Amino acid sequence: GAGVSQSPSNKVTEKGKDVELRCDPISGHTALYWYRQRLGQGLEFLIYFQGNSAPDKSGLPSDRFSAERTGESVSTLTIQRTQQEDSAVYLCASSLDRGALNEQFFGPGTRLTVL
Amino acid sequence: SQQGEEDPQALSIQEGENATMNCSYKTSINNLQWYRQNSGRGLVHLILIRSNEREKHSGRLRVTLDTSKKSSSLLITASRAADTASYFCATEGSGYALNFGKGTSLLVTP
Repeated sequence: GAGVSQSPSNKVTEKGKDVELRCDPISGHTALYWYRQRLGQGLEFLIYFQGNSAPDKSGLPSDRFSAERTGESVSTLTIQRTQQEDSAVYLCASSLDRGALNEQFFGPGTRLTVL
Repeated sequence: SQQGEEDPQALSIQEGENATMNCSYKTSINNLQWYRQNSGRGLVHLILIRSNEREKHSGRLRVTLDTSKKSSSLLITASRAADTASYFCATEGSGYALNFGKGTSLLVTP
């Protein structure tokens, strides 16, 4: 596809349920990032993948959060036992390579609402 | 962690006027980027300025960087209603991900 895609666009779930969010990066982009944006706030970094290297998980807020990426393709972000404070827009971005000079291309995000 | 802080938090102007947004940051940077976000969804990259640059232009956008003051400004000239959006500055020091501020919400009225 032409850009980064994410699914679902909206997800409403009950507290305690698990959710899985999907990101399809731009073909050929080796770097993939997950961010979280709470209402009226900036973006919080969650996790970063670069090729086949070990991911940088330093931004994950708790062990309920995990993410996987197969090679340089699709990534899934899983939130287990969701809490109301997990409600946010989850944004995925990809770039050609890691590093400061590579523009990050963002997907439209998944709006997660935990009731 | 959020390093960039945008100012003002909200800005309302009329079409044709110029809009200026400022960003301050705390630690040394390799570059600074500005992004735009419509309707709380995906961000669009606007411009990147490197730490050894002082000013950069792209269409109606002008970005300045003052590393001695750890600040940057984004100027949108001759604003249009379609410029209504949130604008974020983002920095990357030694890490790979971007550190975003909370953004400036710009409203351009016809």
